[in-house]
Amino acid sequence: DIVLTQSPGTLSVSPGERATLSCRASRSVSGNSLAWYQQKPGQGPRLLIYGASNRATGIPDRFSGSGSGTDFSLTISRLEPEDYAVYYCQQYGNSLFTFGPGTKVDFK
Amino acid sequence: QLQLQESGPGLVRPSETLSLTCNVSGDSMTSGVYYWAWIRQTPGKGLEYIGSKHSGGNTYYNPSLKSRVRISAEPSKNEFSLTVSAVTAADTAMYFCARGVTTFGVNTWFDPWGHGTLVTVSS
Repeated sequence: DIVLTQSPGTLSVSPGERATLSCRASRSVSGNSLAWYQQKPGQGPRLLIYGASNRATGIPDRFSGSGSGTDFSLTISRLEPEDYAVYYCQQYGNSLFTFGPGTKVDFK
Repeated sequence: QLQLQESGPGLVRPSETLSLTCNVSGDSMTSGVYYWAWIRQTPGKGLEYIGSKHSGGNTYYNPSLKSRVRISAEPSKNEFSLTVSAVTAADTAMYFCARGVTTFGVNTWFDPWGHGTLVTVSS
């Protein structure tokens, strides 16, 4: 299985600031097959990014993804109040899909 | 806009079978080639992929659960289901259904997801 590790566990950010979240894989993720999701309390995860760097339909351009191989990142360029949530990465390059443990973005 | 909604009993007794249904609305399950998936979430293990059923019929399961789970689909009702047999407290989780996007015939990311349904295994 590919194990995904996310850091930091919690990121405290003020509105308008930049947030950078990290996702590291235990081995190379083929084809940059990595997605990012946002989850708010009481809701299912919402797709933000697929293919490591492609924004999903309707996702604001303040969200961007980058990386390849084993190191990936999600950047929120200017945090809006609605962006406080937990963010998960998921790899689909291996037949057993796995998710990271999440990074909580909270109010500083 | 496609929406998914999970339903099923919130409490299941140990050793019994858990059965959940996902109702798909806003579009037909047969309008494209997709996977229909179940994923669960616990505070301890986080998000765990359970399995997917391809619109062509093939199913794929997490090897750690494969002996106890089954995913079936009823496109005429626009719904798909999950059963987990011989449940234990470790199966207590929030269960989500989701649509798996297909790229070159392979299941990739999941979009959208339902809101989830909490299942507790307890006597």
